[in-house]
Amino acid sequence: DAGVIQSPRHEVTEMGQEVTLRCKPISGHNSLFWYRQTMMRGLELLIYFNNNVPIDDSGMPEDRFSAKMPNASFSTLKIQPSEPRDSAVYFCASKGQVNQPQHFGDGTRLSIL
Amino acid sequence: AQKITQTQPGMFVQEKEAVTLDCTYDTSDPSYGLFWYKQPSSGEMIFLIYQGSYDQQNATEGRYSLNFQKARKSANLVISASQLGDSAMYFCAMREGGTSYDKVIFGPGTSLSVIP
Repeated sequence: DAGVIQSPRHEVTEMGQEVTLRCKPISGHNSLFWYRQTMMRGLELLIYFNNNVPIDDSGMPEDRFSAKMPNASFSTLKIQPSEPRDSAVYFCASKGQVNQPQHFGDGTRLSIL
Repeated sequence: AQKITQTQPGMFVQEKEAVTLDCTYDTSDPSYGLFWYKQPSSGEMIFLIYQGSYDQQNATEGRYSLNFQKARKSANLVISASQLGDSAMYFCAMREGGTSYDKVIFGPGTSLSVIP
């Protein structure tokens, strides 16, 4: 079975540019989570969806960040404009039933110059 | 407020010995779940073990077991017979609530190094 698929794996761009991270969850999973991982702040939950509806976006750092889930098989996390402090590994995870664990993608390593 | 505490930023263990990684949590919800994940240097997040708040017995999965002390709000991971491949970051995570759309948050992690 295919796991959670994230793209791109690596992204290097200049500050001020728009960045779009993509995620395809595992088929049949109804919850999707976006996390950001840095050395300083660890794994931070940015936003999560259930049945394509955003449930909690309180972790989104500021208005430059936005996330969408137009259907059950696709989600995007967008940063516009990007800043060097946004450099991190961004993970997407999906989950099925309540007692099931999250399944993580391989992450996108984002570097903003 | 920090909901999940992992007080050991770094741990060392001799190969073939057992090691306990600490995790304490804070919640007022009677229904919750606790997860442990492993993150090796390659970066992927690997699920290890799960404990539900209503589970009567401590969870076990192969060499991993969870020492769940509900009254103390602790869920320590025990790795038996450590192997070199166990060297990694270990994260404790908590799901609050009893629905399929619950938030899952992570602790700061513990770095484990297995010494040959």
